[in-house]
Amino acid sequence: RKEVEQDPGPFNVPEGATVAFNCTYSNSASQSFFWYRQDCRKEPKLLMSVYSSGNEDGRFTAQLNRASQYISLLIRDSKLSDSATYLCVVNRNTGGFKTIFGAGTRLFVKA
Amino acid sequence: IAGITQAPTSQILAAGRRMTLRCTQDMRHNAMYWYRQDLGLGLRLIHYSNTAGTTGKGEVPDGYSVSRANTDDFPLTLASAVPSQTSVYFCASSDTGDSDGYTFGSGTRLTVV
Repeated sequence: RKEVEQDPGPFNVPEGATVAFNCTYSNSASQSFFWYRQDCRKEPKLLMSVYSSGNEDGRFTAQLNRASQYISLLIRDSKLSDSATYLCVVNRNTGGFKTIFGAGTRLFVKA
Repeated sequence: IAGITQAPTSQILAAGRRMTLRCTQDMRHNAMYWYRQDLGLGLRLIHYSNTAGTTGKGEVPDGYSVSRANTDDFPLTLASAVPSQTSVYFCASSDTGDSDGYTFGSGTRLTVV
């Protein structure tokens, strides 16, 4: 089992739809969490951090559920420009290297 | 523009050849990383450096080596390339470590034939 797992999708949604992605992690010692966005043939870029209390940035809302060991990303009022791959990232506080990337969830927003 | 510069952008390399991928950052970040990204596998850490003068092995270090002589540069060397090293390679940096987000370079697409 992978340490960080995401549904690879693709998610195909119409413009204006609300879409949610989940990401599960297996290491209960994980401490910090992020969502990155990666456009086709581009580098990943930090979208937002995920705090215990949840956080919101415009149309994007990220939440953390430590008890069930998952994080989520909600996108409201989807735009064509939201089409990308969304990577879940988990930092654990054990081991020599600590940052684990999920394989990503692909989102296609269609007109 | 502050950020990370990777070179070359792409390369086709004969198997058995030696190759160094270059990575330079101008943000004075302490930590730097090399990842490879393969379809369906996501980003996998090859080597990392928490500060100049130190390096560590990541998840998939075999066949690769790195050095960190100064804060800005973190080259990745393939001593004798093999086809399984065909991948997209990303260099990244972060300021104070794992609690920060990463800044990535634009990547190097390497094909080993």
